[in-house]
Amino acid sequence: AQKITQTQPGMFVQEKEAVTLDCTYDTSDPSYGLFWYKQPSSGEMIFLIYQGSYDQQNATEGRYSLNFQKARKSANLVISASQLGDSAMYFCAMREGQRRSQGNLIFGKGTKLSVKP
Amino acid sequence: NAGVTQTPKFQVLKTGQSMTLQCAQDMNHEYMSWYRQDPGMGLRLIHYSVGAGITDQGEVPNGYNVSRSTTEDFPLRLLSAAPSQTSVYFCASSYSPDGPNYGYTFGSGTRLTVV
Repeated sequence: AQKITQTQPGMFVQEKEAVTLDCTYDTSDPSYGLFWYKQPSSGEMIFLIYQGSYDQQNATEGRYSLNFQKARKSANLVISASQLGDSAMYFCAMREGQRRSQGNLIFGKGTKLSVKP
Repeated sequence: NAGVTQTPKFQVLKTGQSMTLQCAQDMNHEYMSWYRQDPGMGLRLIHYSVGAGITDQGEVPNGYNVSRSTTEDFPLRLLSAAPSQTSVYFCASSYSPDGPNYGYTFGSGTRLTVV
């Protein structure tokens, strides 16, 4: 079973509008972290936002926010006021566990976001 | 600039050739890993290391070897390249105390084509 599921292979959004990218996860570990990365066409992986399983509030970083619904095991990325530069591939990832040896990131398959002018 | 440095950026190999992808970080990160990225597959873990002298396999380790003789370096060796190893390879490192709340710093990637 997939541990990270991104059900939207591709999405379009109009410039200046908000967009939500979906991510669901599967883990039995009570301690985990959820990450979103952006990969523009140039190929680098850019860290956007982090949410810990024990965090009481949803994470926010500028125009990015994470809609964390723990009971539903979802961690959707919300981008407000989309810009043309937001066109990229977006990956949701999870890191499980408290022990140092459990530090691997598990990635979803990604969502390609295209922002229309 | 501090970060993760991968070399080369591009490489074409013939089937059966061997090569080493280099990865170096200068952030004193204990945790290092190699991922491969294929279209529609996301990033999949090849090998990882929790410190010098310690390595372990990830999801797709076949055909690859790693070693970690120093904290800074984590090279990935392709023993006998196959067309199925055509991919983009990312090296990543992380500061990793106990707890999941540290993400990775990624290198810029190596685009490998095996013909």
